[in-house]
Amino acid sequence: AQSVAQPEDQVNVAEGNPLTVKCTYSVSGNPYLFWYVQYPNRGLQFLLKYITGDNLVKGSYGFEAEFNKSQTSFHLKKPSALVSDSALYFCAVRSPSRGDKIIFGKGTRLHILP
Amino acid sequence: DTGVSQNPRHKITKRGQNVTFRCDPISEHNRLYWYRQTLGQGPEFLTYFQNEAQLEKSRLLSDRFSAERPKGSFSTLEIQRTEQGDSAMYLCATNEGTQYFGPGTRLTVL
Repeated sequence: AQSVAQPEDQVNVAEGNPLTVKCTYSVSGNPYLFWYVQYPNRGLQFLLKYITGDNLVKGSYGFEAEFNKSQTSFHLKKPSALVSDSALYFCAVRSPSRGDKIIFGKGTRLHILP
Repeated sequence: DTGVSQNPRHKITKRGQNVTFRCDPISEHNRLYWYRQTLGQGPEFLTYFQNEAQLEKSRLLSDRFSAERPKGSFSTLEIQRTEQGDSAMYLCATNEGTQYFGPGTRLTVL
């Protein structure tokens, strides 16, 4: 079965420091991987995705993520955090062989401390 | 703004009442999805359409839930005889390679 794990409920980072939000996945076949961000009382906003190609994917707002097949991970990173990055972040996976639906992790709340 | 709109944004209803939500997708997107998100959880897949055809339904979609997408344009999600456990955010998304989400409808069942 497809699954996504975000092991940290919350991550605290000082403004200006690098940030990492962790994600591991389990899926049959080659995965499509996604990161979304959710601000209070808003829908999900797409940040970036990995389908194939370069393992380092760059996305919106200076975020990037690294696909690691051997570790089945897709961690979200940013070199220098901003207070405005504080939000709820969701990792998601889709297996093309299992239909088109996306399976989401539980989310990680990111707090950037001024 | 992703171009996906949902109405209403908020709905408060009493237990046992029926409610209907609407999603208007990005016009050129053929696939439309419904998800449910409860507090502290990620969105959970409910169902999806390819044009007007409903192709997959989650086990979460009990027989009190029905979704339609007439003419392959907007979609509606109806919940009959609402229960307190139905309180959640209902999200719609449309897809062309990447799923783009609407702002959601927050349902509160009293």
